[in-house]
Order: sequence, then structure tokens, then C-alpha cells
Amino acid sequence: GAGVSQSPRYKVAKRGQDVALRCDPISGHVSLFWYQQALGQGPEFLTYFQNEAQLDKSGLPSDRFFAERPEGSVSTLKIQRTQQEDSAVYLCASSVLLTNSPLHFGNGTRLTVT
Amino acid sequence: DAKTTQPTSMDCAEGRAANLPCNHSTISGNEYVYWYRQIHSQGPQYIIHGLKNNETNEMASLIITEDRKSSTLILPHATLRDTAVYYCIVGGGNTPLVFGKGTRLSVIA
Repeated sequence: GAGVSQSPRYKVAKRGQDVALRCDPISGHVSLFWYQQALGQGPEFLTYFQNEAQLDKSGLPSDRFFAERPEGSVSTLKIQRTQQEDSAVYLCASSVLLTNSPLHFGNGTRLTVT
Repeated sequence: DAKTTQPTSMDCAEGRAANLPCNHSTISGNEYVYWYRQIHSQGPQYIIHGLKNNETNEMASLIITEDRKSSTLILPHATLRDTAVYYCIVGGGNTPLVFGKGTRLSVIA
């Protein structure tokens, strides 16, 4: 069956541009997570949704980062006025529920800010 | 911060068992041990998880010590396709999983 799909796969942005990264979770999955992975590091938690509700956004590094999931399915991570330190792979994961359910990850969007 | 300690890297001969250790001495009673792996240019892949009993599935076995302060992931017959970064994570309940740096496993022909 279809897994978690992320688009675009690669994105190059000039510093100061806004970007929008899309995540299509597995159908029926209640929970959706965004992680940021810098080169050579493990994924770092950004934010979490249960259906359309954003329950935890403690990992968002600044107010330039914004995530939404308006209908409880597709999610978008938006980064305003991108900076070079935003360059990373952005991973989306979904699960049936938060509690102890395995996370299913997409292959990420690699963002490069020049 | 991650609550686990793993070796930075390990090698394993193809066809042999790969035993990946993980220390999690501060694990609390309701926290699970999860293992994920990440192959280059892909997202992390779930392998297995457990609370206190040993677990086995088609990918691997998870051995958790009786005091739950450490665990070992076992890949019984490693292949070249098992070369990846393996993450041991402690968590569960209502908090998102926190990844550390993992162990880079290289399977050598």
C-alpha cells in the first residue's frame, strides 16, 4: 500500500525566500509528526498533530516555522524568510495513534538554502 | 536529549548475526524501547519495539535485560542491505520519540 509521501523531494531556496513542504500521510493515520535532520545527525522533533489539532510545537526552532493540517490529513510545513541554518532534510511521519504505535516515515524533503 | 547511549559505529560480516547494544539506564516504568534504522537517503524505518519481554519479528529480535536498563537488537543473518544507521529510542505514551545519533552498522562482504 501507499506509504507516507513527501514533496518536493528536493528544494533549493535563496536566503529570505519562503518555502512550503508537503506531507501526505498514510490514509487513516491519526497522528502526524515533522522532524528536521541535519547532516550526520539524528532526526529532531519539530511538531506533532493529532487529526487537525497541533498538540505539540515545542520543537519548532523559531517563529519562522509554521505547520498546519487543516483537514486532519495532508500537512504543510512552511518556513518563512529561510536562512542557511534551515538547510536540512525535513521528515514527516504518521502513525495510527501516538501511544506506542510505530511511526511510518516518508523519505523527506532535502532543503538547501543558498 | 536522547535517553539512550549507543556505540557510534560497528562492523559485521555478511551472514553473521549483528548484535547492536543500547544503554537506557534512566528508562521509566511505562516507557518502551524502540528500534528504527535509516538507510542512506531514506526516512527511518521501524524495526521492533518492546516493554520488558523479549520480542521477535521477521526483521529482528529485541532482548531487554531484566532491569530494563539495556537492550540488544539482533539481526540474525546480516546482509549488505542491512547497512544503515540504527537508532535505539526510549519513549512512548504521549510524548514524541526523541532520536539520538544512533549506531552506524556496516555489513562487510
